[in-house]
Amino acid sequence: GENVEQHPSTLSVQEGDSAVIKCTYSDSASNYFPWYKQELGKRPQLIIDIRSNVGEKKDQRIAVTLNKTAKHFSLHITETQPEDSAVYFCAPSSGGSYIPTFGRGTSLIVHP
Amino acid sequence: EAGVAQSPRYKIIEKRQSVAFWCNPISGHATLYWYQQILGQGPKLLIQFQNNGVVDDSQLPKDRFSAERLKGVDSTLKIQPAKLEDSAVYLCASKLGQGKETQYFGPGTRLLVL
Repeated sequence: GENVEQHPSTLSVQEGDSAVIKCTYSDSASNYFPWYKQELGKRPQLIIDIRSNVGEKKDQRIAVTLNKTAKHFSLHITETQPEDSAVYFCAPSSGGSYIPTFGRGTSLIVHP
Repeated sequence: EAGVAQSPRYKIIEKRQSVAFWCNPISGHATLYWYQQILGQGPKLLIQFQNNGVVDDSQLPKDRFSAERLKGVDSTLKIQPAKLEDSAVYLCASKLGQGKETQYFGPGTRLLVL
């Protein structure tokens, strides 16, 4: 099965700084690369995703970059705000049915 | 549009007892997932349905867990008998098709096994 690792496990930044979270995966057949945000006690929500034929995608302060050769993709958050504090999960998906494997999560803390 | 519904929201049982969880996906969504999320970890996929067929159940402990989606809409997940290590949040999610659509999660059922 797919082996997924996220780094770092915890990230503490000051408000306004940038944050980068990296996800590495093992299955070269992975073809869909989403990032989810989960606030404390709440359900995961998709914040951005990227298809395998695209290297980068941006949505306001959030971006995702993909390196299929090296089998990793990263979440970039610029101008962080306290409300960005949450746990972020990558979930690369493979196969024709896009079966997801979630990482262990990165806890982002944004200090005001 | 109503979201993914789950019940119950909380359940406390003794080990070796049985428990069942119910999920109603977003109307018209063909794909339904059940995940187990242990505290401090990412969601672990237990089973993925496409309509009423199983797409993947490779991580479902089949000696004690079972799931069904008989009419391709609602789904139930059962644990029988429960173990202490089954304490977790059980999340249901759905998406419209079987492609790269957005997956929507329900609020989850928090299970505590004593």
